[in-house]
Order: sequence, then C-alpha cells, then structure tokens
Amino acid sequence: AQSVSQHNHHVILSEAASLELGCNYSYGGTVNLFWYVQYPGQHLQLLLKYFSGDPLVKGIKGFEAEFIKSKFSFNLRKPSVQWSDTAEYFCAVNSGYSTLTFGKGTMLLVSP
Amino acid sequence: SQTIHQWPATLVQPVGSPLSLECTVEGTSNPNLYWYRQAAGRGLQLLFYSVGIGQISSEVPQNLSASRPQDRQFILSSKKLLLSDSGFYLCAWSGGGAGGRRTDTQYFGPGTRLTVL
Repeated sequence: AQSVSQHNHHVILSEAASLELGCNYSYGGTVNLFWYVQYPGQHLQLLLKYFSGDPLVKGIKGFEAEFIKSKFSFNLRKPSVQWSDTAEYFCAVNSGYSTLTFGKGTMLLVSP
Repeated sequence: SQTIHQWPATLVQPVGSPLSLECTVEGTSNPNLYWYRQAAGRGLQLLFYSVGIGQISSEVPQNLSASRPQDRQFILSSKKLLLSDSGFYLCAWSGGGAGGRRTDTQYFGPGTRLTVL
C-alpha cells in the first residue's frame, strides 16, 4: 500500500519568509502527485498537480512543487509567503488505477 | 462548470441514531465519486468510492455504508451511529473513464461536520 509522509505538522513563518513543505511517498512506480490546500472555513482545493513532463510544476498563488523521482519527493515551495497563505496543506499521491492517498497535512501559520 | 454540493453542512446526532449524508455533482456525467473522513492531524481517509451507479467499493470496514442511486448522487449512511463516527466528511468527484480510471484530479465538496453525542 502507498503511504505519504509530510514531515512537518505545523509550520510558523513571518510574512515574506520562504516556504518549503516536504512530501515523500512510498510507491516506486509511475505516480500522479497533488498538493491541496484548505483555507480556514473553505473547501479543500487543488493547488497544483504533476502527471508527467516538466518536474517543476507551477500552481496557483505563486506556489510551485518539484518532483524528484530518485528521492520519491514532491516538495511544495513559495519564495515569499503572505498572511493569506495561512491554511492546511495536503500532499496526495495516486498511481495506476489506485485511489488517492493523502498525507496527514501541514498547518501553516503566517504571522503578519 | 462543475459544482459539488453536500448537505447538511453540520449535523449533531445521538449515539445509535441513523445517518444519511448526501452529495450531488452538477455539470458532469459519469463521474467517479468518493467519500472521505477528515480528522485533525490525520489527513483524509478514503471511506468509499464509486465508478458508476450501484458500484461501491469500500476502503475501510466500519459502521458506515454508501450508495449511489443516481449517476451524480452519492449517499453516506449508517444504521446506528457510534461516538467514533464523529468527524468531517468530504465528498469528492473526478472524471470517469474507460476501465474506471481513478487517477484524475479530485474536486472536493464543502463537507459535513458530524458530531455524535
């Protein structure tokens, strides 16, 4: 069975700081990778996704993620966070005909 | 455009009572449908998924069941709720496809907060 590991459960940053959230997965074959975000009181929404091609993926709101196959990683980055980025972030993976496996989430708090 | 609805938004039920949560999708046909439970610090746990009417796959054996009476309707039920059923329940859809592909992007509804007392 697949597993997804998000290294940090809680991250606290000041505005304008750089962000990197780690995500590692266990499956060794072809994978599809996702980052979802849940802002306070809102739906879980897609931030970005990787299916194939350029391993550096750009998403909404200035976020990007890099797929490194050799490290089984798909880390999320943003060069300069804003207070409005305060949210919970989830990494998710599926492969072949399998369903989506989520990490436990990382709660990001950005202080103004 | 596609939209996904869940109701009710919040629900407080006594232990032992029945449960019915409803999810409907608009703007697409033959979607794959999913029920998840989200618990703080534990991420999202897939409960059920469906690739078509009457086709339900269970991921975790428990006190809950799911049904898909119509193409774009997905229902989560229980005959007798337990305290441990409390949580935040999310419905999601993704594009269907030949062979029941389940690898497309999933889109989530607003969720139902269930409290069992």
